[in-house]
Amino acid sequence: AIRMTQSPSSLSASTGDRVTITCRASQGVSSYLAWYQQKPGRAPQLLIYAASTLQSGVPSRFSGSGSGTDFTLSIASLQSEDFATYYCQQYYNYPRTFGQGTKVEVK
Amino acid sequence: EAQLVESGGGLVQPGGSLRLSCVASGFTFRRYAMSWVRQAPGKGLEWLSGITVSGESTEYADSVKGRFSISRDNLKNTLFLQMNSLRVEDTALYYCAKNLGAGNGWYTSWFDPWGLGTPVTVSS
Repeated sequence: AIRMTQSPSSLSASTGDRVTITCRASQGVSSYLAWYQQKPGRAPQLLIYAASTLQSGVPSRFSGSGSGTDFTLSIASLQSEDFATYYCQQYYNYPRTFGQGTKVEVK
Repeated sequence: EAQLVESGGGLVQPGGSLRLSCVASGFTFRRYAMSWVRQAPGKGLEWLSGITVSGESTEYADSVKGRFSISRDNLKNTLFLQMNSLRVEDTALYYCAKNLGAGNGWYTSWFDPWGLGTPVTVSS
């Protein structure tokens, strides 16, 4: 199975900050990568697929980049509703696998 | 609006069985592959299983292969997960999710939307 490793596991930031989360795959996954946001007590919500395509309805302050083994999720200007946990997921092959998550907390 | 509602979770003893259901609405269920994903308390997401639109092909994570079985009833817009030989480590919130991507979400699959989940607790 492809192992997905996110860094950092958690970070503290303030509203208005630019935030970057990294996801690394144990082998190349081309651009077959998605990002999700999960808030406490809620189901995950899709943010980005195909490494950089923003899901309909997701604010443009979110962006994704990368291909192969290294990917990033960026939030241009952190808003209060963005404090949450973020997960990457590869769909290059089965089994589908997720990163361990990155928790974005209030500084 | 697409919606998924899971049910069937509960408390079960180790070695026991449960059958989870997921009822879909707001989209043409028979046109999408589907998946189950779980989340243990305080932990991350773990993909468990996926099924094609027809139900002919399935895939499983190694952690549940041989114990769990995914199926679907396209006439009833329902996805199932039969869970046998349950272990304490299977305790989690179980989500169903609609696959998006190539091949009706089978060849490439990201997940949207997700249901609210149904909790499963395996304990003696």
